[in-house]
Amino acid sequence: QQPVQSPQAVILREGEDAVINCSSSKALYSVHWYRQKHGEAPVFLMILLKGGEQKGHDKISASFNEKKQQSSLYLTASQLSYSGTYFCGTYGNQFYFGTGTSLTVIP
Amino acid sequence: KAGVTQTPRYLIKTRGQQVTLSCSPISGHRSVSWYQQTPGQGLQFLFEYFSETQRNKGNFPGRFSGRQFSNSRSEMNVSTLELGDSALYLCASSLDFAGELFFGEGSRLTVL
Repeated sequence: QQPVQSPQAVILREGEDAVINCSSSKALYSVHWYRQKHGEAPVFLMILLKGGEQKGHDKISASFNEKKQQSSLYLTASQLSYSGTYFCGTYGNQFYFGTGTSLTVIP
Repeated sequence: KAGVTQTPRYLIKTRGQQVTLSCSPISGHRSVSWYQQTPGQGLQFLFEYFSETQRNKGNFPGRFSGRQFSNSRSEMNVSTLELGDSALYLCASSLDFAGELFFGEGSRLTVL
C-alpha cells in the first residue's frame, strides 16, 4: 500500500520547473506532501482532499486525480531552498508514505 | 508555539539491549504517530495513538511497543535490539487522525 513516487531523483537549475508524481494502488481520500531537508524533520507542504479542496503552500501547487489515484506536485521557478526529499503520504487507517524524491536545485 | 520534541536525539546501543524513545507533541495535539525511517525503506508507520489509545499498529514485530500518557506525551520501546533496528525514529503529532503532521527531529538509533 506504499505509494510509488517518480522520479526517484531530479537535479534542477534555479528557475527551472519540476513535477513529482505519486500513485497509489488504493483509493485515495487525501494526499499529503512533505519536504525533508538533510538532517531535519519532514515539513508539511500541502494536503489535497477528495473533492478538490487544497490546503497548503503558496508557492507550490499540486493536483489530485481521484479516479487515477494519483497526485502530482508542481514546483515552478525553483529556488535553492527547494532542495530536499519530497514525500507523498496517503491515509487509510494509517499513513503510508512514498519512498521519496530527492530534488537538488543548483545555481 | 513549541514544536514536537523528541529525546534522546542520538543513541548507541548493542544487540540485545532495549531502548525507550520519548515524544512530546505540540500542545493541544492528541494524536501521536511514530515512524521508522531508513534509506532503503523510507518512512514506515509504527503506531498511532489518540487519547492514550493505540488506534493502529504497522507491520513491525512485537518487540516494538508504545504508549501514550494522559498529557499526550508518548514513548516507544524496542526490546531485544537487532542490527536492522538502526534507523531514524520520527514522531509526529496532529490535531486529528488524517490531518497535517508535525514531525519532531527524530531519534537516531545505532545498534552495534
